[in-house]
Amino acid sequence: DTEVTQTPKHLVMGMTNKKSLKCEQHMGHRAMYWYKQKAKKPPELMFVYSYEKLSINESVPSRFSPECPNSSLLNLHLHALQPEDSALYLCASSHPDRGLLVTEAFFGQGTRLTVV
Amino acid sequence: AQSVTQLDSQVPVFEEAPVELRCNYSSSVSVYLFWYVQYPNQGLQLLLKYLSGSTLVKGINGFEAEFNKSQTSFHLRKPSVHISDTAEYFCAVKGSYGGATNKLIFGTGTLLAVQP
Repeated sequence: DTEVTQTPKHLVMGMTNKKSLKCEQHMGHRAMYWYKQKAKKPPELMFVYSYEKLSINESVPSRFSPECPNSSLLNLHLHALQPEDSALYLCASSHPDRGLLVTEAFFGQGTRLTVV
Repeated sequence: AQSVTQLDSQVPVFEEAPVELRCNYSSSVSVYLFWYVQYPNQGLQLLLKYLSGSTLVKGINGFEAEFNKSQTSFHLRKPSVHISDTAEYFCAVKGSYGGATNKLIFGTGTLLAVQP
């Protein structure tokens, strides 16, 4: 099983709503990532969890709140978003890199988020 | 810090013709290079990776890439493309800093447009 599953596939939310994006993998990966991708742009790293602890936060606004409840699950809680936050949100997972031991990341299909 | 440059934003090519998508990287440390493909409204799929060893890397769907350290390049090639290869292609780099979970940084992407 080399799948990273993201739900929902599409989400429309108002600027006062609270919603959550979910990501799940069963590959035994202990590193999980959130990326944001605007149209015709490359993915931009938002957060990295390593062994269920937040290891990288790329100065993301606090209206985005990540959570890693266990080694298989990653959530992204959304609150008071702006229309410019509309994008494709991608989850990825990999084995944690250790020194020269580097591995590839596997990506989910993404959640298409529209903020109205 | 490392970075990736994809000079061609779009590459049009006729079906069954060969294609090369260019990628150049910049890094002061050991690098690990990846090519990902993204079909419309989909997540990213790994095509191939260079971690160490042979500089000629073969991937899925008939693609291959060659790591050239002296020219700091990792160009992607396919001898004969199909209509179904139409997609966005991203080159990505990880740098080894000896820590856990190094960042995966993407280039701006190249749209491969295969015409009949």
